[in-house]
Amino acid sequence: DVKVTQSSRYLVKRTGEKVFLECVQDMDHENMFWYRQDPGLGLRLIYFSYDVKMKEKGDIPEGYSVSREKKERFSLILESASTNQTSMYLCASSRPVLAGVSDTQYFGPGTRLTVL
Amino acid sequence: AQSVTQLDSQVPVFEEAPVELRCNYSSSVSVYLFWYVQYPNQGLQLLLKYLSGSTLVESINGFEAEFNKSQTSFHLRKPSVHISDTAEYFCAVIRNSGNTPLVFGKGTRLSVIA
Repeated sequence: DVKVTQSSRYLVKRTGEKVFLECVQDMDHENMFWYRQDPGLGLRLIYFSYDVKMKEKGDIPEGYSVSREKKERFSLILESASTNQTSMYLCASSRPVLAGVSDTQYFGPGTRLTVL
Repeated sequence: AQSVTQLDSQVPVFEEAPVELRCNYSSSVSVYLFWYVQYPNQGLQLLLKYLSGSTLVESINGFEAEFNKSQTSFHLRKPSVHISDTAEYFCAVIRNSGNTPLVFGKGTRLSVIA
């Protein structure tokens, strides 16, 4: 059974703290993604990665960074957490999209982060 | 670039009534289309997808969606909803080549009322 796991379901941090959100997939997927989900705004892409040590900015990368040292693990880092980063964070993984073939994007259960 | 518009943010419906969740997309290139569902306190899971072939695609739990290229739509329908269908539904598109990320709509919250 395919699986994407996230290190925490709920997290509470203080403003200014450095926060690490970890995501691990066991499907040997090349692509990994970080989204944040907010009411009325849907899912917004923060960063994605097509391969180890590669990263691409999504729609809202400001205030975030990522790390992908191993194929199965993709970390999201909030260098100095702020209250406007309180949100649900979702990790996903997939195989590459090739012409005529598209694999499903699999999601983790999410981490609800509250920054006080 | 691709974009997705889900025309209704909330849809309340009585149990056993039919429902349609609307999705329109914009793209200058060919795309694949998806519907994802998020049940309360869970991550997203794939409901159904259109890649090619028959424009009508079905899920295992009775939902269906029809790809309409001329209207750039991919509306989701179910003839008779259950309480357990209460969830948020996301429409998404992706270019059919080039390995670019999914683009999601803002979601439609379906509330089924007993």
